Amino acid sequence: EVQLVQSGAEVKKPGESLKISCKGSGYSFTTYWIAWVRQMPGKGLEWMGIIYPGDSDTTYSPSFQGQVTISADKSISTAYLQWSSLKASDTAMYYCARPRAAGGHDGFDIWGQGTMVTVSS
Amino acid sequence: DIVMTQSPDSLAVSLGERATINCKSSQTVLYTSNNKNYLTWYQQKPGQPPKLLIYWASTRVSGVPDRFSGSGSGTDFTLTISSLQAEDVAVYYCQQYYSTPLTFGGGTKVEIK
Repeated sequence: EVQLVQSGAEVKKPGESLKISCKGSGYSFTTYWIAWVRQMPGKGLEWMGIIYPGDSDTTYSPSFQGQVTISADKSISTAYLQWSSLKASDTAMYYCARPRAAGGHDGFDIWGQGTMVTVSS
Repeated sequence: DIVMTQSPDSLAVSLGERATINCKSSQTVLYTSNNKNYLTWYQQKPGQPPKLLIYWASTRVSGVPDRFSGSGSGTDFTLTISSLQAEDVAVYYCQQYYSTPLTFGGGTKVEIK
């Protein structure tokens, strides 16, 4: 079964660092892009960026450039999203997602279950 | 960035009736070299990740009921639910993948009248 399994919910304080993960299985991890999507409480979907685990080619949304770092470790089929200094406004559900076609972006048909990040003092 | 604008924000439809959701992009998402519209539709139910319904603006994902259909080209697109069922209550999003950053519409909440 093709799936993406994300790490568990996190509760952090402002200024702390965090790295969440997304492990792919059931397919060739290195040949599909992995995207990260933010959903703030009660709000819509925001595309944060995308990485190609085969060569770690990464593109960020300008809205998130410099705010987060997307990476991948192809040896363990895992993508990451990390923050060096969290803010309360980073409180959200974060999803990883895989496109339908290898090498393409044409619709994300595999989604992780989501990681809820809560940042509060 | 391509801005995706959905309308309405919400709609209430009687069971068995038609629901129509509109999505407009700020610039074309039609790639003329292959005549494909780089537009998808997702359904999101409470507490769940989004589910891909339609890609290339009108191609239904395998297993998605045929009451869901997508249409449109260029900058104007529509998702139609031909006969609303109780299980279709959800928020629906369009997304363009013509260029990065990939962008979503604001979502349309569909409820039962």
